[in-house]
Amino acid sequence: NAGVTQTPKFQVLKTGQSMTLQCAQDMNHEYMSWYRQDPGMGLRLIHYSVGAGITDQGEVPNGYNVSRSTTEDFPLRLLSAAPSQTSVYFCASSSSGSVYNEQFFGPGTRLTVL
Amino acid sequence: GNSVTQMEGPVTLSEEAFLTINCTYTATGYPSLFWYVQYPGEGLQLLLKATKADDKGSNKGFEATYRKETTSFHLEKGSVQVSDSAVYFCALSDVNTDKLIFGTGTRLQVFP
Repeated sequence: NAGVTQTPKFQVLKTGQSMTLQCAQDMNHEYMSWYRQDPGMGLRLIHYSVGAGITDQGEVPNGYNVSRSTTEDFPLRLLSAAPSQTSVYFCASSSSGSVYNEQFFGPGTRLTVL
Repeated sequence: GNSVTQMEGPVTLSEEAFLTINCTYTATGYPSLFWYVQYPGEGLQLLLKATKADDKGSNKGFEATYRKETTSFHLEKGSVQVSDSAVYFCALSDVNTDKLIFGTGTRLQVFP
């Protein structure tokens, strides 16, 4: 049972480049989400999904796209990277969208945009 | 709006010292409160939670009591270990969106 896995661990991009951050979970969780962590700002919700085929925006969705074709995977796409997207990105999953259910986090992806 | 305020870090302690990490919140309604911990190189893990006023959450020797009168949820441990070195995040549930709102995190460093 690997839990929540994220790849890559580190990535450096140039402004304007695109990339996809991968997230997978093997716990059969319906709810998955993406957060970004910035110094002095805590974690902020980017996008979330309550099940395959269903996604919605969080607090800071601009510049990011998501899709959910399977229960296991929830990739985050940056179509045209900007320096403001330099951050640490965390994927999380839980059995439901309620905060009363424990969220399980991946180890994070540290992204630098030059 | 809803928000969580944590004490600035890092907090530096010697092994077996008493730990307090302060957390206060602003919220409408009656949120649930959480402490998450992030060990080096890992994702966040739920440490403890409390769902109503005067509840005490506890786990691994850590405790926090939901104080509605002071809007606080301070994390305490009587005797810290080197293995407790981590970043600790206080969070609350937004009763309107059912989403978590996190504080900025407090780094704890424990030395032998």
